[in-house]
Parts: sequence; C-alpha cells; structure tokens
Amino acid sequence: GQNIDQPTEMTATEGAIVQINCTYQTSGFNGLFWYQQHAGEAPTFLSYNVLDGLEEKGRFSSFLSRSKGYSYLLLKELQMKDSASYLCAAMDSNYQLIWGAGTKLIIKP
Amino acid sequence: DTEVTQTPKHLVMGMTNKKSLKCEQHMGHRAMYWYKQKAKKPPELMFVYSYEKLSINESVPSRFSPECPNSSLLNLHLHALQPEDSALYLCASEYEQYFGPGTRLTVT
Repeated sequence: GQNIDQPTEMTATEGAIVQINCTYQTSGFNGLFWYQQHAGEAPTFLSYNVLDGLEEKGRFSSFLSRSKGYSYLLLKELQMKDSASYLCAAMDSNYQLIWGAGTKLIIKP
Repeated sequence: DTEVTQTPKHLVMGMTNKKSLKCEQHMGHRAMYWYKQKAKKPPELMFVYSYEKLSINESVPSRFSPECPNSSLLNLHLHALQPEDSALYLCASEYEQYFGPGTRLTVT
C-alpha cells in the first residue's frame, strides 16, 4: 500500500530551528513535496525534491533520501508566523500526490 | 500572472440548490485539479483535467460535476449536496504547485 507518515504535532521556540520528518512508501516515486497551510487557508507550495540531497530556500530547507524513503523540512530562525500545518506529499508513478496527515507546528515566544 | 484564482470565496447553499465554483489560471498550465479538504485533514483529490480532458475522477458522487470550458478555466457544478459535503474546495494547477485560495462551502 501507499503511506506517508509525519508527526501529528511539534512545538518549537521563536528563533530556534525545527526539523519535521516524513517517511513515505509509494508505488513508484516522482518526487516529494512540502506545503505550508495556515488554518482556514489553502496550502502554499514550499519545496519539491526528486533527487537525493538538501535544497535550501532562505530559512527553509528540504532533504530527501530516496533509498530510505525519507524526507525532512528544516525551518531556521523560527518566527511566530511559521505556526501552521506542514504537509508532506509524495508523487507516485501515476503522478498523483499521496498526502501525509500534516504536522501542526506550534511556535512559542 | 502567477496565481490561481477561485470564486466565490464563501458559499452557503441549501440541499436543493444548484451552484457552481469557478477556478481560473493564466499561466499556461495544462493540468488542473479539484480537491476537497475537511478540517484538520489533508486535501482529497476529486478530479484532474489534463489538456482540457477529464483524466481522473476519484469516484466522486455525481452531485459534483466538473467542467473545463478552456485551458484557463475550470468549473465545479454542485447540485443536491448533503451537509457532509461542507468543506474547503481547492483548485490547483501544474502538479499541484499552485493552489487557489479555495471556496469555503457550507451546505445547510
């Protein structure tokens, strides 16, 4: 079967660093997506990884290991506005996204 | 223009009403998607249009009827909905890298 696992909730402190992990099992693989979603709003695309390694975009970085079926999203210099849900999604061989349940990130001052 | 737009932002409808949701993008993307999202759940894929043709229908009830009049426009026609259809309806384009702001639908 196809499955995406990520933690349900994480808490971090303003100014700190947090890493949100995601493991996936899919029928074929065409890349791993991360999205940010604030309550009541649409998801916003953050990153796409299809090759192994780390991709950095400002305060946000995403890592992929295809052999381990593993990805993480790294958020640095946390700000209060980073409080949101973070969704991991893997694209299968049919180019359909398999979604994780999302990680609710709570930032404390 | 690098955005997907959706109208209306909010919609309240009765179970006997007929209404439509609209999605538009002018980025030349050939794939467009309809998703349904309930609170605290990930988005659920409903329909995929590729080159203006319906390529995926995820066993969605017939009270939801999609339409793609042209490469920039996607509609979702709603008829005889149930209260459990209340959700955020999202449109996306190009391998879901671009999501519209969504329509918050309430069925009474």
